[in-house]
Amino acid sequence: GNSVTQMEGPVTLSEEAFLTINCTYTATGYPSLFWYVQYPGEGLQLLLKATKADDKGSNKGFEATYRKETTSFHLEKGSVQVSDSAVYFCALLTPPGGTSYGKLTFGQGTILTVHP
Amino acid sequence: NAGVTQTPKFQVLKTGQSMTLQCAQDMNHEYMSWYRQDPGMGLRLIHYSVGAGITDQGEVPNGYNVSRSTTEDFPLRLLSAAPSQTSVYFCASSTPDRGGGYTFGSGTRLTVV
Repeated sequence: GNSVTQMEGPVTLSEEAFLTINCTYTATGYPSLFWYVQYPGEGLQLLLKATKADDKGSNKGFEATYRKETTSFHLEKGSVQVSDSAVYFCALLTPPGGTSYGKLTFGQGTILTVHP
Repeated sequence: NAGVTQTPKFQVLKTGQSMTLQCAQDMNHEYMSWYRQDPGMGLRLIHYSVGAGITDQGEVPNGYNVSRSTTEDFPLRLLSAAPSQTSVYFCASSTPDRGGGYTFGSGTRLTVV
C-alpha cells in the first residue's frame, strides 16, 4: 500500500536558520502530496500542496517540490522563526482510479523547535 | 461556514462503555475520515468514506464502527471502550479534487479509565 516516510526528529534550530525536513513516499499511480502543520494544542492545518510532478507548493515562506523521479517532497524554509515551532506532517492522497482512493496517508511527523 | 465540527471536545469514559463521537461538515465534501493521534505518534487512520453509503477501514479499525448516511455527518462509534482507546480523535473532510486537501476538526480528547 501507499506509505510516507519522514526524517526522524526532533529538529532544533536557531532563529533565521535554514530548514529542511525530508519526506519520501511509496505509491502507485500519481498521488497528490501535502504538508500539514500542527501547533501545540491545536488541530492540523494544511500548509502547502502539490498535485503533479515538478509542482512547487508554497505558503508562509515554506516550499516543497513534487519530485517523482526521487519520490520525494522535502519541506524547506530559508529563515525559520520561533513561531514556526510545531509538528510537521507529510501526507499523500490516493487519487481516484485505484483502490483506496480518497485515503490520506501521513508520515510520522517531525517536531521542530526554533530557539531565539 | 463552520467547517468541520467535532463534538464533544472532551470525554471521559469507563472501560466497557460505548459512545459516539460526532463529526459534521457544512462544505458538501464527499470525503471524510477519522484519525487518532497518540502522544509521540503520528496520525493513524481509523475509517474513511468517499461518499454517503460508502465506508472503508483504515490502519486501526478494531473497536470502532462508522456509517455515512448523509454527506454532512460521519459519526464514530466506540463499541466497548478500552484504555487503549485513550487518544485524541480528529475528523477531516475533503473534496475529491486532487488538490483539495483535507480540512480537520479541532479534535476530541477521549480518556478511558
